[in-house]
Amino acid sequence: EVQLVESGGGLVEPGGSLRLSCAASGFTFSNAWMSWVRQAPGKGLEWVGRIRSKADGGATEYAAPMKGRFSISRDDSRNTLYLQMNSLRTEDTAVYYCLTEKYLSSWHLYWGQGTLVTVSS
Amino acid sequence: QSVLTQPPSASGTPGQRVTISCSGSNSNIESNYVYWYQQLPGTAPKVLIYRNNQRPSGVPDRFSGSKSGASASLAISGLRSEDEADYYCAAWDDSLGGWVFGGGTKLTVL
Repeated sequence: EVQLVESGGGLVEPGGSLRLSCAASGFTFSNAWMSWVRQAPGKGLEWVGRIRSKADGGATEYAAPMKGRFSISRDDSRNTLYLQMNSLRTEDTAVYYCLTEKYLSSWHLYWGQGTLVTVSS
Repeated sequence: QSVLTQPPSASGTPGQRVTISCSGSNSNIESNYVYWYQQLPGTAPKVLIYRNNQRPSGVPDRFSGSKSGASASLAISGLRSEDEADYYCAAWDDSLGGWVFGGGTKLTVL
């Protein structure tokens, strides 16, 4: 069974940092392009960024509001995806989901349950 | 303000067919694939349609997707109470270099 389990969310003050993790199991993680998507309370979905598989170059891409502040990485030996978030703002408050953007012939198929990040003083 | 435009709400009665529209531009929908997601209250989104009109295994054929130019639609036939959820469209945007979403449509089954 495929599972994506996010962790690391919590309360952080504006200007602070947080690192989210997404533990993957049930599929060959190293072959997947992985993305992060967030959802502010009561709002819609917003793409955060993605990382390609190492076989496809391992490049990262980010949405404009996150560039320079957020960093996505992966550890294929641990089957884990990371989202490092720095210089956090109140508007970064959201549930953060990890998902498989591209895996074999599937697209956006597997999602985690999400982890809540609250940025507040 | 979302890059893709969806109606904020839609409704129908059980058994009816409803459609949800998604309008974009030549940098996203017109030149790339469209995806549709269903989000039930308190849960993660689930992909219903990928690459314009493909259904993942397990998604009922009551759900179908189509695209024409810079617009796309999700159709749900034989509406059921369990279809009551938020629906989102998405596409890659070549100008922005990222995925863009619609603002979401809340579907109510009357």
